[in-house]
Amino acid sequence: ETGVTQTPRHLVMGMTNKKSLKCEQHLGHNAMYWYKQSAKKPLELMFVYSLEERVENNSVPSRFSPECPNSSHLFLHLHTLQPEDSALYLCASSQDSGSSNTGELFFGEGSRLTVL
Amino acid sequence: RKEVEQDPGPFNVPEGATVAFNCTYSNSASQSFFWYRQDCRKEPKLLMSVYSSGNEDGRFTAQLNRASQYISLLIRDSKLSDSATYLCVVHNQAGTALIFGKGTTLSVSS
Repeated sequence: ETGVTQTPRHLVMGMTNKKSLKCEQHLGHNAMYWYKQSAKKPLELMFVYSLEERVENNSVPSRFSPECPNSSHLFLHLHTLQPEDSALYLCASSQDSGSSNTGELFFGEGSRLTVL
Repeated sequence: RKEVEQDPGPFNVPEGATVAFNCTYSNSASQSFFWYRQDCRKEPKLLMSVYSSGNEDGRFTAQLNRASQYISLLIRDSKLSDSATYLCVVHNQAGTALIFGKGTTLSVSS
């Protein structure tokens, strides 16, 4: 079983829908991340949470809204998305955001989102 | 200049070949560098860190040139199982998260 679990694995939604992506880590880490991976583009950092506080918000549109209720769970709330938001959304965790210095990011398998 | 730049490839090589990937980065203050590997339709996983003195892990050798802001990965004696996308990764300006390159795709054939 992977240490970082994402649900749902696949999601299709219309532009007027509201949905949420969920991430849970079972590694005892204190930092969690959302990355976006689109075809032919590098992974894009979206949000960083350390000890449940947001420490990085990488100019992401407000139609993406993160929530970190505790150090094990991370959500990405989606509303009024655009077709260009279709991508693979990857959650990751690390011991703490400072120890991303060690490169030890553990990724979930991703949630593949399609916006119609 | 892009934060992390890689030749996307693809690199198509026969088994047993030696192949090298290069990467340049724009943040001269970055202190940490890594190579990740991503298999098709899978999540990225850490392959190895890159140290100033260069480091080796079996068939894989990583090198860092801070003056040129350049990182390399050398794979010797390529195996079919090495087929994947290799991602060059450096720290962001704030040092709070990792920035990924687009990746270089390697295909090893028999």
